[in-house]
Amino acid sequence: EILMTQSPAILSVSPGERATLSCRASQSVTSDLAWYQQRPGQAPRLLIFGASTRATGIPARFRGSGSGTDFTLTISSVQSDDFAIYYCQQYYNWPPITFGGGTRVEIK
Amino acid sequence: EVQLLESGGRLAQRGGSLRLSCQSSGFSFSDYVMGWVRQAPGKGLEWVSSISGSGLSRYYADSVKGRFTVTRDNSRNTLFLQMNSLRLEDAAMYHCVKLGRRPSEGWLDPWGQGTVVTVSS
Repeated sequence: EILMTQSPAILSVSPGERATLSCRASQSVTSDLAWYQQRPGQAPRLLIFGASTRATGIPARFRGSGSGTDFTLTISSVQSDDFAIYYCQQYYNWPPITFGGGTRVEIK
Repeated sequence: EVQLLESGGRLAQRGGSLRLSCQSSGFSFSDYVMGWVRQAPGKGLEWVSSISGSGLSRYYADSVKGRFTVTRDNSRNTLFLQMNSLRLEDAAMYHCVKLGRRPSEGWLDPWGQGTVVTVSS
């Protein structure tokens, strides 16, 4: 099973600042990595797949990068709607599909 | 528009059974791998199970293997999760998810709003 580790657990940022979230896999997942956003009381929604491809309707301020074991989600200028929990997920070698523990982006 | 609507979640007894359903619309259901992901209150995401478009291939998390069964009815565009021998740790919001046409397309999009399973002792 591929273990996914996200850091930091909590990220405090001010609106308009850049946010950088990290995700590390216990072994290479090539580019088979997705990112999700979960706002309070809502289901997760896909932001990024293939490590760097934005899903339909996702604003350009969300950028995914990385390959192999180390990945980054960057929000270039955090908006009020972006305060949420973000999860990474690998689909390189499944079952099982595995998720990271999440990073909460909160208002500083 | 792709829509996934779960139902069937309720309070069940430990050791009991439940059957969850997910009604799908807006896409060619039989062409896609489908699955279930759960989230316990205040916790992260846990993949539970997936099933191929034909229904012939089924996959389970170790935590539910032997207790849960995933099936699909492509004539009704509906996904099911039969949950037996329920444990306290099965209590969660259960989300129906759509994967890709092939298992290699393993991102989950979209997610249904979920149905809540509560397990009492």
